[in-house]
Amino acid sequence: DTGVSQDPRHKITKRGQNVTFRCDPISEHNRLYWYRQTLGQGPEFLTYFQNEAQLEKSRLLSDRFSAERPKGSFSTLEIQRTEQGDSAMYLCASSLVLGGPPLSTGELFFGEGSRLTVL
Amino acid sequence: KNEVEQSPQNLTAQEGEFITINCSYSVGISALHWLQQHPGGGIVSLFMLSSGKKKHGRLIATINIQEKHSSLHITASHPRDSAVYICAVNTRGGADGLTFGKGTHLIIQP
Repeated sequence: DTGVSQDPRHKITKRGQNVTFRCDPISEHNRLYWYRQTLGQGPEFLTYFQNEAQLEKSRLLSDRFSAERPKGSFSTLEIQRTEQGDSAMYLCASSLVLGGPPLSTGELFFGEGSRLTVL
Repeated sequence: KNEVEQSPQNLTAQEGEFITINCSYSVGISALHWLQQHPGGGIVSLFMLSSGKKKHGRLIATINIQEKHSSLHITASHPRDSAVYICAVNTRGGADGLTFGKGTHLIIQP
């Protein structure tokens, strides 16, 4: 297994266009997380899945954003009608969390990120 | 005020120096993570800890739950250690993602 992979690594689009990012987690990991990072800031939580279920969404995830993990494996993050403020690095991470209360992400393995530039 | 504060924001040191990066948090946590981010974006998890101390190679992470404080130490620093080091916490009762600090930009000069 080569780790968490994200595609595309870079995306330049015009304002108003839709974009979709894909994340392939480590195959045995049940948790998948999406984060957004703007220049000079730490990442911010967007949403996460346990298997195919989307269990939590941040207030940052407006109705233009949608994430799916249909078969509990890869995930997509779609941004509709992009705005310049959406320009950021979109990071995906996965982990394996077994049993117990969901109070920890477990050790996270991150992808290289997908950098979005909205012109 | 951010829930996770790191200091210093920037640190430049000479090769071989002992490095300490600090992280303070203001919320109850279930775990604290130290992450390393290189230019280009890739993030690597260094430590996940909820008490005590962990060591991996030249890296040491400690946490004091009562004081809500953690430190990351690098011994015998090397230019390849140059990166952004990020502290992040799992908050109790919050969204089950991580809350991140803004990171410490470390440069080790030869």
